[in-house]
Amino acid sequence: AQTVTQSQPEMSVQEAETVTLSCTYDTSESNYYLFWYKQPPSRQMILVIRQEAYKQQNATENRFSVNFQKAAKSFSLKISDSQLGDTAMYFCALFQGAQKLVFGQGTRLTINP
Amino acid sequence: NAGVMQNPRHLVRRRGQEARLRCSPMKGHSHVYWYRQLPEEGLKFMVYLQKENIIDESGMPKERFSAEFPKEGPSILRIQQVVRGDSAAYFCASSSSQRKPHSGANVLTFGAGSRLTVL
Repeated sequence: AQTVTQSQPEMSVQEAETVTLSCTYDTSESNYYLFWYKQPPSRQMILVIRQEAYKQQNATENRFSVNFQKAAKSFSLKISDSQLGDTAMYFCALFQGAQKLVFGQGTRLTINP
Repeated sequence: NAGVMQNPRHLVRRRGQEARLRCSPMKGHSHVYWYRQLPEEGLKFMVYLQKENIIDESGMPKERFSAEFPKEGPSILRIQQVVRGDSAAYFCASSSSQRKPHSGANVLTFGAGSRLTVL
């Protein structure tokens, strides 16, 4: 069975600092996709970044980047130069062939001014 | 190009009543997914539909819950005889293709969710 684990329920950093959110997962497949979603207080689910498992290069989207360690089944999100607008719940998610996303429990990130 | 539209955004029902949640996918999308988010939890898959077909309902409770995606009109998630435990945010997402739905432009797009409160 697929599982996604986020071991940090809450994190808090100062504005402009760098923060890393952890995610581990379990799957028996060799090809799959990993995602980080952001859920601000509006509750909208916003795709932050995605990684295809067969690509070795870590994905990057502006201030957001991932550290994808396939052997360790680890997929952490790094937010550089954090901004107040980054305050949100962040969910790690795994997708493989079964047409459904499996989400972690979420990490509540607060950026302090 | 409007995104995934869900309504109502907020719905209040008393125990025993019925709740109907609607989802209009993005233009050009024919695949719809419903997820449920309980307070302080991640989203959990409920059902995957294409036009007039239920493809995967493995996450749907066996009783009281049903979903449809008719040829014309929005997808409907229906909850009969609601109980307090049904209180949650229900999210709809859509994509344009079953194959590699997350590659290229074919990304799963979520609506803003419908929050159901059962009194």
